[in-house]
Amino acid sequence: GAGVSQSPSNKVTEKGKDVELRCDPISGHTALYWYRQSLGQGLEFLIYFQGNSAPDKSGLPSDRFSAERTGGSVSTLTIQRTQQEDSAVYLCASSSSGTGLNTGELFFGEGSRLTVL
Amino acid sequence: LAKTTQPISMDSYEGQEVNITCSHNNIATNDYITWYQQFPSQGPRFIIQGYKTKVTNEVASLFIPADRKSSTLSLPRVSLSDTAVYYCLGRDPTSGTYKYIFGTGTRLKVLA
Repeated sequence: GAGVSQSPSNKVTEKGKDVELRCDPISGHTALYWYRQSLGQGLEFLIYFQGNSAPDKSGLPSDRFSAERTGGSVSTLTIQRTQQEDSAVYLCASSSSGTGLNTGELFFGEGSRLTVL
Repeated sequence: LAKTTQPISMDSYEGQEVNITCSHNNIATNDYITWYQQFPSQGPRFIIQGYKTKVTNEVASLFIPADRKSSTLSLPRVSLSDTAVYYCLGRDPTSGTYKYIFGTGTRLKVLA
């Protein structure tokens, strides 16, 4: 597609259930990012992929959070045993990172809004 | 850790020029300085980037001093539709990765 696509756009779940959020990056973009944005707050870095590997998982809030990326393309963020504090918008971004100057131009999807009841 | 510092909020009136400054003391030598705009219920979108001196596009100008420890986003003649949160973006220079950290952002409110 032309842009970063995320699904579902909205997800309401009950506390304790598992959820999966999907991100389709721009074709050819090697870097993929997940951020979390709570209501009225800034963007919290969660994890970053370069190809299929995740050099930096330091932002994942707890071991209930995991993410994977396959084929250098689609990524899935999984939250197990959801808690009410997990309610937020989860944003995915991709970029064509490379060597040399780091441009920091990230292309964002519209986000997946997660509500945990 | 690369830390960016911006004012939390700003108010302006339509037609005025707005300048938002970001401090990024630890910016890496080979990093661009990039600014994003975010409207409610949308993902951030790229506005402008630069490496040094001045950059101008159809949306904004970006001023970067020689030491690159700060940058100023300039929005000429703002309108109500420019009401948004503006972020400058920094990369963690110690991680050796493309870990991009967003600051708190500046919430700009344009008044009629």
